[in-house]
Amino acid sequence: EAGVAQSPRYKIIEKRQSVAFWCNPISGHATLYWYQQILGQGPKLLIQFQNNGVVDDSQLPKDRFSAERLKGVDSTLKIQPAKLEDSAVYLCASSLEVSQPGYTFGSGTRLTVV
Amino acid sequence: DQQVKQNSPSLSVQEGRISILNCDYTNSMFDYFLWYKKYPAEGPTFLISISSIKDKNEDGRFTVFLNKSAKHLSLHIVPSQPGDSAVYFCAASDNYGQNFVFGPGTRLSVLP
Repeated sequence: EAGVAQSPRYKIIEKRQSVAFWCNPISGHATLYWYQQILGQGPKLLIQFQNNGVVDDSQLPKDRFSAERLKGVDSTLKIQPAKLEDSAVYLCASSLEVSQPGYTFGSGTRLTVV
Repeated sequence: DQQVKQNSPSLSVQEGRISILNCDYTNSMFDYFLWYKKYPAEGPTFLISISSIKDKNEDGRFTVFLNKSAKHLSLHIVPSQPGDSAVYFCAASDNYGQNFVFGPGTRLSVLP
């Protein structure tokens, strides 16, 4: 099966600019996650979708981050405006069901804010 | 307040020997644990899991041990191979399959 697709692979923007990341999960996977991984740290969950509904967004900085999953398939994560501390790898993951552990990650988008 | 800790940032092991990666957690409500492996420029790959009702789970060369009283788990790789060189993340959940908290990772280098 095809894996989790993410684009772009790399993005460099200036602070206060906006940026968007795209994720296409594995076909049929109902649950989709966005994680932020800062250099030297483990991935941190930002938001979790079940189909097109939000299950958990408690760690999403909602003043600048937003995410949507229209039609329960693709998802977009947006940052507006970006700050220097947003520099990280943004990972998308998906699983068949919420209760299925070991979900599949994409390769991530490396964001550098200068 | 790191809930999942991996106190060794790096580990070097000779090919053929055993690699032991350690993970400690503080939240006694965690009931499910995963190990992920990550190569450079790739996303983490699921390796092995264990639930709190078990104290050991084995999959080929990989075995995970859970000591609930010590809030400690470890991943054993036997025998270690150069292809095992990667960053290993421990992750824990207090709501089976949801809201995993990741440790900072341990970089394993298996020397030929």
